[in-house]
Amino acid sequence: DSGVTQTPKHLITATGQRVTLRCSPRSGDLSVYWYQQSLDQGLQFLIQYYNGEERAKGNILERFSAQQFPDLHSELNLSSLELGDSALYFCASSVAGYTQYFGPGTRLTVL
Amino acid sequence: QQQVKQSPQSLIVQKGGIPIINCAYENTAFDYFPWYQQFPGKGPALLIAIRPDVSEKKEGRFTISFNKSAKQFSLHIMDSQPGDSATYFCAASLCEGNQFYFGTGTSLTVIP
Repeated sequence: DSGVTQTPKHLITATGQRVTLRCSPRSGDLSVYWYQQSLDQGLQFLIQYYNGEERAKGNILERFSAQQFPDLHSELNLSSLELGDSALYFCASSVAGYTQYFGPGTRLTVL
Repeated sequence: QQQVKQSPQSLIVQKGGIPIINCAYENTAFDYFPWYQQFPGKGPALLIAIRPDVSEKKEGRFTISFNKSAKQFSLHIMDSQPGDSATYFCAASLCEGNQFYFGTGTSLTVIP
């Protein structure tokens, strides 16, 4: 158990809908990273927050957004969902240094 | 553009064998190279990591070999066991707190 929690575990929704994925980092970790894992793209970095502020952006679509709250939990919002957004979404956290601890992921299925 | 290239895509070995997974990178500014292990339905878990000032690192049955001049690094699993069957990802990072650039993963199956 990495200490990173993600909810929900599974999410099934329809095209055009909006969903919110939640991540609670390990106690004391200030950084949260979001990654998307799909069969054809592997693990792709989406966005990073550090202590409430956006730190870095990767291959994140404009339909996606994220935020980190004062209690350090983070939410990833996905809107106008398309079939191709179906994937596993992981968050990871770190306190400092290089090591990132990954949560169990949220499996999103868009029908 | 894939920053880190990983091979093979899949690997099957007998119990006790030594599977080797290879990764290559282009960006010489990378300075941290972790390997993650992922079981079905779980998140990736850090297995072992190396910095470019070291050519080899061992942790238990897992060894990273690093060749800075060739811009390649590899994972060796000694005395592999069926419980090692998982997907392995190499990655690279530019600096502390930076995002990871992952390889595409290697699915390892260890046959009893």
